[in-house]
Amino acid sequence: GNSVTQMEGPVTLSEEAFLTINCTYTATGYPSLFWYVQYPGEGLQLLLKATKADDKGSNKGFEATYRKETTSFHLEKGSVQVSDSAVYFCALSASGSARQLTFGSGTQLTVLP
Amino acid sequence: DGGITQSPKYLFRKEGQNVTLSCEQNLNHDAMYWYRQDPGQGLRLIYYSQIVNDFQKGDIAEGYSVSREKKESFPLTVTSAQKNPTAFYLCASSIVGDGTYEQYFGPGTRLTVT
Repeated sequence: GNSVTQMEGPVTLSEEAFLTINCTYTATGYPSLFWYVQYPGEGLQLLLKATKADDKGSNKGFEATYRKETTSFHLEKGSVQVSDSAVYFCALSASGSARQLTFGSGTQLTVLP
Repeated sequence: DGGITQSPKYLFRKEGQNVTLSCEQNLNHDAMYWYRQDPGQGLRLIYYSQIVNDFQKGDIAEGYSVSREKKESFPLTVTSAQKNPTAFYLCASSIVGDGTYEQYFGPGTRLTVT
């Protein structure tokens, strides 16, 4: 079946530090890949996405590249801010009739001033 | 503004009572979904619907029921048969057929059963 494995948290960084959150996946066919962000007490917001191999998704300084050869979609940001503190979820949407999303377990990020 | 609304934000119930969580969307999306989120865990799919009057069980449907009488609405009932109903419930919707199946989420309802 489909699965997403995320780097375990929590992750604590100082402001302006470099961020990497690892995500690898197992899926049949050619999935679309997503990063969602969840702020405390809120729903999920789409951060970025990539729909085919070698695509790079980017938004708000965050980037992730769809690597089919390593089945990975690692999230990166060059300089994090306190406002980036949240839980980050990697997810995939695989071939199939319903195109359900399969989520990783989430990574809690805390950025200290 | 287009979006998904869930109400109420917080809900408290006594054990043994059924409770219905509301989800409405004005995005004109065909597909709608219900997820459950427990502390420190990812999201687990409860039910989904791709078209009015049709829905399918997800990974953890036992103890839950849904209906889809209108395109805009997808209410979830947590029945007394659900053994551990206290959780954060998220509703989502998506376009069917655009190739990416990106899902849009509501703000969630936190249900506490005592």
